[in-house]
Amino acid sequence: DIQMTQSPSSLSASVGDRVTITCQASQDISDYLNWYQKKPGKPPKLLIYDASTLATGVPSRFSGSGSGTDFTFTISSLQPEDIATYYCQQYDSLPTFGQGTRLEI
Amino acid sequence: EVQLVESGGGLIHPGGSLRLSCAASGFTFSNYAMSWVRQAPGEGLQWVSHISATGGSTYYADSVKGRFTISRDSSKSTLFLQMDSLRAEDTALYYCAKTPDYEALSVFDIWGLGTMVTVSS
Repeated sequence: DIQMTQSPSSLSASVGDRVTITCQASQDISDYLNWYQKKPGKPPKLLIYDASTLATGVPSRFSGSGSGTDFTFTISSLQPEDIATYYCQQYDSLPTFGQGTRLEI
Repeated sequence: EVQLVESGGGLIHPGGSLRLSCAASGFTFSNYAMSWVRQAPGEGLQWVSHISATGGSTYYADSVKGRFTISRDSSKSTLFLQMDSLRAEDTALYYCAKTPDYEALSVFDIWGLGTMVTVSS
């Protein structure tokens, strides 16, 4: 299995801050990397696919970059509604998720 | 509106069986591969199983292989997960998720609200 390591595991930030989460794969996964937002009591929501493509309807303050083993997810200006847990997921082989990054204000 | 609605969860004893269903609407179910993803209480997301649009290809996480069976009925736009020999570690909220592909296991673009499975004596 490909292991996905996210950091940090939790993050405290303020409204308006630039927030960055990293995800590292245990082997080269090209750009087969997605990012999801998970709020309590709601299903995950796709934000970014193929490492850097914004999903339909997702605000442009969200972005993703990277390829190979190292990936970055960025919120350019944190909004109150962005409080959630964020997960990366690879699909170079059978899917695996990172352990999640809990974002707090 | 594209929608996935899971059902069939509940409290079951270890060693028991349960069959989850996921009713799809708002899209042509037979054109898309589907997966089950679960989240144990206080834990992260774990992919469980995947089935191609035709049902001809299926995949399983090692933790459920040989115990769970994924299937689909395109005439009823419904996805299933037959869960046998259940263990305490299978306790989780089970999500049905759609992919934008006919065959490939890639991205999960639409998710249901989930159905809770609790395995306990």
